[in-house]
Amino acid sequence: QKEVEQNSGPLSVPEGAIASLNCTYSDRVSQSFFWYRQYSGKSPELIMSIYSNGDKEDGRFTAQLNKASQYVSLLIRDSQPSDSATYLCAVRTAGGGADGLTFGKGTHLIIQP
Amino acid sequence: EPEVTQTPSHQVTQMGQEVILRCVPISNHLYFYWYRQILGQKVEFLVSFYNNEISEKSEIFDDQFSVERPDGSNFTLKIRSTKLEDSAMYFCASSGGTAVSEQYFGPGTRLTVT
Repeated sequence: QKEVEQNSGPLSVPEGAIASLNCTYSDRVSQSFFWYRQYSGKSPELIMSIYSNGDKEDGRFTAQLNKASQYVSLLIRDSQPSDSATYLCAVRTAGGGADGLTFGKGTHLIIQP
Repeated sequence: EPEVTQTPSHQVTQMGQEVILRCVPISNHLYFYWYRQILGQKVEFLVSFYNNEISEKSEIFDDQFSVERPDGSNFTLKIRSTKLEDSAMYFCASSGGTAVSEQYFGPGTRLTVT
């Protein structure tokens, strides 16, 4: 059974600070890792993908992957009130193709103005 | 920017009725997916579809569910005999193009079974 674990929060961070979101996964052969943002009542929105160990940066977002520890994280720099949302970690076993994603329950992030 | 579209946005049906949820994936994508999210719970994979056949399905996707690509643009999910527990948001997603692994979600259909 593939499991993806996230702290449900809420995680409260002051505006302008760094928000750090964490995720662990159980399936050691997982190949692809994604972070989605979901506003209340809306659909998941892809914000980052990462496939190899290390860091990947895109604007204010940095994803970090450690396959040995089965750990993925997302850092959001200069947090803005508009970043307040639930952040979903998703994992896929295959490197590409038609496999479905296994999602965590999400971390509710609140950015305090 | 291309996006996945879904219709209807909200569907109300009575228990035992059949419903069809419709999706138009991003035009150059080759892989299509359905997910559901029961209120307050996590997003759950139902099925993936590639080259006009099911590639993978979860335990949730039992005989009451079916998928079809009836033409070159639409992708549908049919629930044959709805149950109260089928009430959820249903999301269609697609992937392909230059980043085959990245799945993009549509806005969802809220299904309410009464």
